[in-house]
Amino acid sequence: GQNIDQPTEMTATEGAIVQINCTYQTSGFNGLFWYQQHAGEAPTFLSYNVLDGLEEKGRFSSFLSRSKGYSYLLLKELQMKDSASYLCGVMDSNYQLIWGAGTKLIIKP
Amino acid sequence: GAGVSQSPSNKVTEKGKDVELRCDPISGHTALYWYRQSLGQGLEFLIYFQGNSAPDKSGLPSDRFSAERTGGSVSTLTIQRTQQEDSAVYLCASSLGQGPGDTQYFGPGTRLTVL
Repeated sequence: GQNIDQPTEMTATEGAIVQINCTYQTSGFNGLFWYQQHAGEAPTFLSYNVLDGLEEKGRFSSFLSRSKGYSYLLLKELQMKDSASYLCGVMDSNYQLIWGAGTKLIIKP
Repeated sequence: GAGVSQSPSNKVTEKGKDVELRCDPISGHTALYWYRQSLGQGLEFLIYFQGNSAPDKSGLPSDRFSAERTGGSVSTLTIQRTQQEDSAVYLCASSLGQGPGDTQYFGPGTRLTVL
């Protein structure tokens, strides 16, 4: 079967760095997406990785290792507004997005 | 341009009634997705459309759920004889196509409460 694993919840301090991991087992691979979802709001697109390596976009970076079935989202210089759930989604061979359950990130002052 | 819109934003209904949820995708997007999200949970895939066709209906929870899309644009998700377990946020997303890297853009969702 297809499976995406993420930690359920993480806590970090304002100004610090946090890494949210995602491991996956899917039927084929056509890229991995990270989305941010604030409470009561719709998910918004953060990043897309299809090749191995690190993609940097401001304070957020996303890493992919296809051989290990592993990705992480790195958030630097954490701000209170980064408190949200972070969703990992993998596009399988049928171009369907398979979603993890999401990681709730709590930022403390 | 305008993003994905959904209506109504909130719907409260009584058990056993039928409800219809509407999604208006981004103009020009050929792929449209429906998801369900219960409180504190991840996204549960329901159905997707490529144009007006629904190649994959495997996620629909029961035969009380149906969806259609007309004119390659607006889609409606209908739930017949609603049950309390149907209470959730129903999210719609659209993407330009259905290929590598085609990003899904989400609407604000419809919060359905079945009393």
